[in-house]
Amino acid sequence: GAGVSQSPRYKVTKRGQDVALRCDPISGHVSLYWYRQALGQGPEFLTYFNYEAQQDKSGLPNDRFSAERPEGSISTLTIQRTEQRDSAMYRCASSLGVGGSSYEQYFGPGTRLTVT
Amino acid sequence: KNEVEQSPQNLTAQEGEFITINCSYSVGISALHWLQQHPGGGIVSLFMLSSGKKKHGRLIATINIQEKHSSLHITASHPRDSAVYICAVNGNYGGSQGNLIFGKGTKLSVKP
Repeated sequence: GAGVSQSPRYKVTKRGQDVALRCDPISGHVSLYWYRQALGQGPEFLTYFNYEAQQDKSGLPNDRFSAERPEGSISTLTIQRTEQRDSAMYRCASSLGVGGSSYEQYFGPGTRLTVT
Repeated sequence: KNEVEQSPQNLTAQEGEFITINCSYSVGISALHWLQQHPGGGIVSLFMLSSGKKKHGRLIATINIQEKHSSLHITASHPRDSAVYICAVNGNYGGSQGNLIFGKGTKLSVKP
């Protein structure tokens, strides 16, 4: 079956513009996660959802970042008034459920965001 | 200090060598994951474990909960094993069970 998909794969935007990044999880996966990965670094957690409920948004850097998953499937990560420091790979992952040993996370290909 | 530490950061090996990558963590966990990030950027889950040992082909992952330590071993390494290997953990309380806390990764290069 289809894996996690993300769009766009690459996005170049000018400083100050808003961007919306989309994640389409594996069908039936309850949990959806957003991560950010700077070049040469490991990913860092941004936020995650169980169904449509945002469970934890403690990793969002500031209030310019928001995410939603209104119908418990597709999710959108929105960055308002982008800044150059927002440039990174934004990764989405999904899993069958939340918690410990039961659920492996499946990662999408990422969206490479460049803010000029 | 990072909650998940990996060593070494970089590793170069000759084809056929036995490779070990280490991961130590300082938080209570419900599961530990080993991930492989390909040169093209994709991330694939290799193992998820909460105790003992798992084996898949030439890859073996072990975890010692008391010592808060895990190792990833690659036997008979091959150039196609060249990638970044990332250790990540799920916390063991409330909402922290959802998100992963990542190590910085170990960049492995296997020479023919």
